[in-house]
Formats: sequence, C-alpha cells, structure tokens
Amino acid sequence: EVQLVQSGAEVKKPGESLKISCKGSGYSFTSYWIGWVRQMPGKGLEWMGIIYPGDSDTRYSPSFQGQVTISADKSISTAYLQWSSLKASDSAMYYCARQGPDGAYFDYWGQGTLVTVSS
Amino acid sequence: SYELTQPPSVSVSPGQTARITCSGDELPKQYACWYQQKPGQAPVLVLYKDTQRPSGIPERFSGSSSGTTVTLTISGVQAEDEADYYCQSAVSSATWVFGGGTKLTVL
Repeated sequence: EVQLVQSGAEVKKPGESLKISCKGSGYSFTSYWIGWVRQMPGKGLEWMGIIYPGDSDTRYSPSFQGQVTISADKSISTAYLQWSSLKASDSAMYYCARQGPDGAYFDYWGQGTLVTVSS
Repeated sequence: SYELTQPPSVSVSPGQTARITCSGDELPKQYACWYQQKPGQAPVLVLYKDTQRPSGIPERFSGSSSGTTVTLTISGVQAEDEADYYCQSAVSSATWVFGGGTKLTVL
C-alpha cells in the first residue's frame, strides 16, 4: 500500500528555520516525483515544487523559487521542505504528494503538516 | 503567469448533474486532472488525463475537454459529493498549476 506520512504540526516564530518531512512507503521511492502543495487558511491549493528522488532533480514554481528548498534523502525514502527564515505569511497547511506514473497528476497525498508562524 | 480559471461556486440539488469548468490557454496542449477536497482532509484525485477515473472513484464522476476548457461532470450528485474541487494542469514540463477551486454545494 502506497503511503506518504508527513511530520507533525509545527509552531515557530518569525525568523526561525524549519524543515518538514514526508516519508514514502509501499513503492519505489526513487522512481516517482514528489511534490509539495501549500494551502493557506481558507484558501486554495498552490503548487510549490517537485523533486525526483532518484537524482534530486528539482523544479520550483516561480512563486516559491528562492523562498523554500525542496530536497530528498533516498536512503530513508523521505522528502523535505525547508525554510531558512519563516514569515507569518508562511502559516499554512503543507501537503506532499506523489506524481502519478504516467503524467501530471498527484495520485497519493500525505496527511498534511500544519505550520504556524507567530510571535 | 499562467492561470487556470474555475467558477467559485456551483450549487445543485441531489440527483441532478453538476458541471464544473476549468479554463486555461494551455489546456488544448496539456492534460488536466481534478481533485476533491472535503473539510479537514487532504485532496483526493478524482480524474486524470482529462477523462480517466482512478480506481475507487464512482462512475458518476466524468470528464471532458473542448478547446481551452475542461469540465468535471458529476451525474446524480449525492450529498457526499459536497466538497471543494480543484483542477490542475502543467505550465511546462514538471511545473504545474492549480485552479482557484470550486465549492460544490448540494442543496
């Protein structure tokens, strides 16, 4: 069974750094792109970027380029999303999701990680 | 920047047909997919490659494409179909975008 399990909720202060994780199981982690999606409170889904764990090829939405870093450690089947200096506007739910085997769609999603940034 | 446009809301009575559209200039060249999201839950894929249904998705969910518009059709809407629906498509190879989302209300 394919599963993506994300790390737990985080409460941080502005300016702090953060790295959240997404662990894949039940499939060949290195053979599928993993993406990250932001959902701000009461708002829609925003595509942030995507990584291919097999070779760490990474693509970012222009809106998120330079704002976050996506990485992966294939030895432990885990993808990451990190910030070097959080802002209050980074408060949101973040989902990881696996790209389908043959196209531009996410077929499996993590449960989400809620990030709250507040002074 | 490239955008996919959806109506903010659609309302239907139980048993009727709901149609949710998604418009974008690249849609004639790129496949679209659709997700259903219920409150407090992660999105679920309901259609991919414009018209394909993943296993476990009821047959009442169907899709079509015409020019710059793709449409998600839910036939015989049930109360459990009340949710937010998002389309998604590619901007370029390996960079994608979501539509703004449509809230489906079952009256």
